[in-house]
Order: sequence, then structure tokens, then C-alpha cells
Amino acid sequence: GQQVQQSPASLVLQEGENAELQCNFSSTATRLQWFYQRPGGSLVSLLSNPSGTKHTGRLTSTTVTKERRGSLHISSSQITDSGTYLCAMGVTEGADRLTFGKGTQLIIQP
Amino acid sequence: GALVYQYPRRTICKSGTSMRMECQAVGFQATSVAWYRQSPQKTFELIALSTVNSAIKYEQNFTQEKFPISHPNLSFSSMTVLNAYLEDRGLYLCGARDLEVFFGKGTRLTVV
Repeated sequence: GQQVQQSPASLVLQEGENAELQCNFSSTATRLQWFYQRPGGSLVSLLSNPSGTKHTGRLTSTTVTKERRGSLHISSSQITDSGTYLCAMGVTEGADRLTFGKGTQLIIQP
Repeated sequence: GALVYQYPRRTICKSGTSMRMECQAVGFQATSVAWYRQSPQKTFELIALSTVNSAIKYEQNFTQEKFPISHPNLSFSSMTVLNAYLEDRGLYLCGARDLEVFFGKGTRLTVV
């Protein structure tokens, strides 16, 4: 079945540093979506892009579909950015069947 | 704006009993609803996908007999965990789609 691998499993940074999260997937994805999971478990959708680069605020998502990889860049990290970041892929345009990675635990220290 | 409400947010049930959870789309019409589960120390797994005017499709390892789903209209879906046991504990998420997918905050199930 489809697989999504995220790296690193955990990342510890100082406040102000940039974070780079990686996502590799096993099938041709038509959609790659990044989520932030709050400590209570709820998901916040951050960015969704099938290919290319997309920005929102301090977040930049880059997806290279041919190489089956994506990344999430967080610039000037803040303590409140701490948490789990999940990458999920969809294989059919418009489908809702997402396959999630295991996440990257990001810890931002003062 | 578009929101998805899930309730209850947390629930505890005795082993062997059943528990029903609900998912409400507000501000949009959900043409499809996907139910996911995040078990302890694991990532989210898709349980089933319910699309209006189509049969509900269950993923491998999940069955209608164990997780019956109702999707009576474009704004509501419910799922029941029948005969819940320890391995059923976790966070259950509902994702409802209009032009994009919106997730609820989940129902956390504890089985004692």
C-alpha cells in the first residue's frame, strides 16, 4: 500500500532558527498536505499543494512530485510552533483518502 | 466559515460496550466524509470513506460490522464503535469534504 515517510522523527531547535521537515511517499501523489497536530490531538491544515512551492506566513511547502518528496520549511521558529507536524498524501485528484506519515515532533526552545 | 464539529470530544466506555460519535459539517455541504483513527503511538489510519450516493468503502482491517457508519445527509455523519476493546482506543477524526477537506477536533475514546 501507499506509504509516507517523514523525517526527522524529532527536531529540537532554538527559537529563531529555521526548521526543515521532510516527507517521502511511495506512490505518485496528486496532493500533499501538511498538518499541525495540537497537543490535544486536533488537526490544523497548514498547506496543501500537489507540486511546486506554496507559501503562507512563515511556512513554505515544496513538493517535487516526480521525485516523490515534499518538505515544509518554517522560518524564524517560535516556541508556539512546537508540536507534531504530519504529512499526508492523496493519490487521486479530489479524493479524500489520505495516507498519513508518522509525524515530526518539533520542539522549539527559548 | 466552514467548520466540522465532532462530539463527544472525549468519552470513556467499558470494554465490550458500544460508543457512537458524530460529525457535523457547518457552513458547507459535505459531499464525502472520511473517518480516521489515531491509535496510541501510531499515525492516522483511514477507517472508511462515505460519499453521497455511493456505498461506504471500508479500508482493510476495518468492517461495517465493527464500525457502522451513517451518512444520512450532506451535513451529518455518525460512526459507532461496536463492542469496544482496548485496541479501539484512540483519537477518531472526521474529515468532511466540500472543495477541500475540513477536519473536526476528534473524539478521544478511552476503553476501560
